[in-house]
Amino acid sequence: GAGVSQSPSNKVTEKGKDVELRCDPISGHTALYWYRQSLGQGLEFLIYFQGNSAPDKSGLPSDRFSAERTGGSVSTLTIQRTQQEDSAVYLCASSLDRRLGYEQYFGPGTRLTVT
Amino acid sequence: AQSVTQLGSHVSVSEGALVLLRCNYSSSVPPYLFWYVQYPNQGLQLLLKYTSAATLVKGINGFEAEFKKSETSFHLTKPSAHMSDAAEYFCAVTKSGGTSYGKLTFGQGTILTVHP
Repeated sequence: GAGVSQSPSNKVTEKGKDVELRCDPISGHTALYWYRQSLGQGLEFLIYFQGNSAPDKSGLPSDRFSAERTGGSVSTLTIQRTQQEDSAVYLCASSLDRRLGYEQYFGPGTRLTVT
Repeated sequence: AQSVTQLGSHVSVSEGALVLLRCNYSSSVPPYLFWYVQYPNQGLQLLLKYTSAATLVKGINGFEAEFKKSETSFHLTKPSAHMSDAAEYFCAVTKSGGTSYGKLTFGQGTILTVHP
């Protein structure tokens, strides 16, 4: 079946602009995660959603970052007033259930470049 | 809090040689451990996982890893390297319980180069 998809694959934006990154998880997967991969910080957890529960936002680096998940499926990560340090690859993952026996399936990522 | 240390940011082997990628973890509770592989410009793919069952875990593409509690290690091995194994490998840990389980903490990654 289809895997996790993310759009756009690449995004170049000017400092100070807002950007939206989209993630379509695997159908039926109840858990959805966002991670950030950057040269300086490696792979970092940002946020996760599990069904209708309140999301775990503990990894969001600042209040410029927010995310939502509509209808338990598609998720959008929004970065407001982008800064150069936001340049990174943003990875989305989904799993059938947050229980650990269910591995996370990753999308190809969105490469964000802030100029 | 959990953490993962991958020893060696770059490992180079000859085709057909043993692959050994090292991972040590720190966790206040029994951990669940994972190895992921990332090919250039692609997402992460799960190689194998340890979730408190057998300590020797076999994964895809001939890779395996052994969970050693006494050494807090979860090293990844493959008996014979293939050119197609060239990629970046990430070790990751998560809690085995509590409200934050499922959230992965990754090591810094090891780039594997395979020479003909």
